[in-house]
Amino acid sequence: AQTVTQSQPEMSVQEAETVTLSCTYDTSESDYYLFWYKQPPSRQMILVIRQEAYKQQNATENRFSVNFQKAAKSFSLKISDSQLGDAAMYFCAYNGPDRDDKIIFGKGTRLHILP
Amino acid sequence: DVKVTQSSRYLVKRTGEKVFLECVQDMDHENMFWYRQDPGLGLRLIYFSYDVKMKEKGDIPEGYSVSREKKERFSLILESASTNQTSMYLCASSTNTNSRKGSYEQYFGPGTRLTVT
Repeated sequence: AQTVTQSQPEMSVQEAETVTLSCTYDTSESDYYLFWYKQPPSRQMILVIRQEAYKQQNATENRFSVNFQKAAKSFSLKISDSQLGDAAMYFCAYNGPDRDDKIIFGKGTRLHILP
Repeated sequence: DVKVTQSSRYLVKRTGEKVFLECVQDMDHENMFWYRQDPGLGLRLIYFSYDVKMKEKGDIPEGYSVSREKKERFSLILESASTNQTSMYLCASSTNTNSRKGSYEQYFGPGTRLTVT
């Protein structure tokens, strides 16, 4: 069965610095999708970035980028120039290739931004 | 923009009450999901549905049921609320097309924080 592991329950970073959140997953599939979701305090969960396993190039969205290591089954999120609004719970998620596959979430990493 | 709404942000119910949590999405998505979110446990899937009048059990269905009479609406029902069902409940929806662009991304509602006393 597929699993998603986020080994850092909480992290802190100084404002304007760079932080990397870790995620590893386990699957026997060769094609799949990976996501990072952000849940700010008392606000809606939103998608930050997605990666398709067949693409070798790492996804980037403004200050957010991923380091996708397919062989190592690692999918880390890098946040550059951290801002106070980045404070949130971040969830890593995996979805298999089939339309009926259920998305699997990690347990989350709570990110604190220090002013 | 996709919009997923939930009927209540906060709800307080008594033990033994029947509780309805409503979720509505406006993007004609085929798939809808109910999760509960608890500290340290992440998101756990309760029930999901890939079509109208269709439902499948997730990882923790005990004590819950669901209803999907219309494509845009997915209801979670607690037949007899108990204190261990105090939690944050999140609804989500996604499309079912096998398109690589944005495939399987789930869109979430704002959540309902349910307290059972």
